[in-house]
Amino acid sequence: DIQLTQSPSSLSASVGDRVTITCRSSQAISTYLSWYQQKPGKAPKLLISSASGLQSGAPSRFSASGSGTHFTLTIASLQPEDLATYSCQQNYNRPRTFGQGTKVEIK
Amino acid sequence: QVQLVQSGAAVRPPGASVKVSCMASGYTFRNYVIAWVRQAPGQGLEWMGSISPYNDNKYFAQKFQGRLTLTTDTSTSTVYMELTSLRSDDTALYLCARDVDTDVSDYWGQGTLVTVSA
Repeated sequence: DIQLTQSPSSLSASVGDRVTITCRSSQAISTYLSWYQQKPGKAPKLLISSASGLQSGAPSRFSASGSGTHFTLTIASLQPEDLATYSCQQNYNRPRTFGQGTKVEIK
Repeated sequence: QVQLVQSGAAVRPPGASVKVSCMASGYTFRNYVIAWVRQAPGQGLEWMGSISPYNDNKYFAQKFQGRLTLTTDTSTSTVYMELTSLRSDDTALYLCARDVDTDVSDYWGQGTLVTVSA
């Protein structure tokens, strides 16, 4: 199975800060990577697909990039409503696998 | 609007089974694969399996082979997930999700908490 490793596991940042989360894959997965946002007590929400495709309705302060084994999710200006856990997921091959998640807290 | 509504929380003793439902609405049910993903307390997301309501094709994560059953009822647009021989480490939030692309989920159910405890 493909292993996805996210860093950091958690972070605390101030409103307005630029935040970057990294996801590394144990093997090359082209751009078959998605990012999900999961707010406390809620189901995950698809933010990004195909490594960089922002989903309809997602705020434009979210962006993502990468291919192969190294991917990043960036929040350009952190907002209070961005308090959540962010997880990457590969759909290069089955079984689909997820990173362990990055918990974003607001200072 | 697309909605996936799951059945309520369940408590089961070790060795029992649990069946969770996921009722879809707001789209053509047969056109999208439904995946099941679980999340143990404080842990990450784990894919369990997927089913196509169109042709009944099923895909399972190896660790759940033999314990996991996925079925559909197209008359009610409902997918069922049954997990047998429950253990304490099966305690988790179980989520159904609609796949917009192969293994990419765009809409999720609210989750069903399954607690395995004597």
